[in-house]
Amino acid sequence: DAGVTQSPTHLIKTRGQQVTLRCSPKSGHDTVSWYQQALGQGPQFIFQYYEEEERQRGNFPDRFSGHQFPNYSSELNVNALLLGDSALYLCASSLTGSGYTFGSGTRLTVV
Amino acid sequence: DQQVKQNSPSLSVQEGRISILNCDYTNSMFDYFLWYKKYPAEGPTFLISISSIKDKNEDGRFTVFLNKSAKHLSLHIVPSQPGDSAVYFCAATDNFNKFYFGSGTKLNVKP
Repeated sequence: DAGVTQSPTHLIKTRGQQVTLRCSPKSGHDTVSWYQQALGQGPQFIFQYYEEEERQRGNFPDRFSGHQFPNYSSELNVNALLLGDSALYLCASSLTGSGYTFGSGTRLTVV
Repeated sequence: DQQVKQNSPSLSVQEGRISILNCDYTNSMFDYFLWYKKYPAEGPTFLISISSIKDKNEDGRFTVFLNKSAKHLSLHIVPSQPGDSAVYFCAATDNFNKFYFGSGTKLNVKP
């Protein structure tokens, strides 16, 4: 049973560029949430997608956007990258009302 | 404003002894709490949870205690094993859509 799959595992981008991160949820899960984990901190909620719509959003600027596809997979897009966007980006999937299963994350470095 | 706090960044315990990890929260609306364990280069994995209608939940060597009046929860690991060495995050929610995480406690269990 495949868990949550995220790609790529690592990437390096230049300040001002745009990036797309991808997530395939655990089989049977219909909800995808994205978190940003900066070094030495806990994960911080970016947003959650359910039925292809953003259901809830955390305190992140509009440069952070997402999408959920009919097969429940999801993308996180970040525009106009800043050095401070360097972090581990975690995708978590769940079945509505249950706890999360996390992926291993994408390590984004902005230089 | 951090709504979930883990004030001990690290904890070192001898194998076989009890490990106690603490977590405080500020939002009285939180009604579900979880502990996650994270190894390097992996995503957080679910460990144990507790609903606000309980004050204790036990699963093998792991027990979570909830003190609602003090807005405090703790994770007890007995007996501690070297394989338990990881970063432990507590998390809380009031709607299962958005989880608030603490900054983590790095547990080192010495053989």
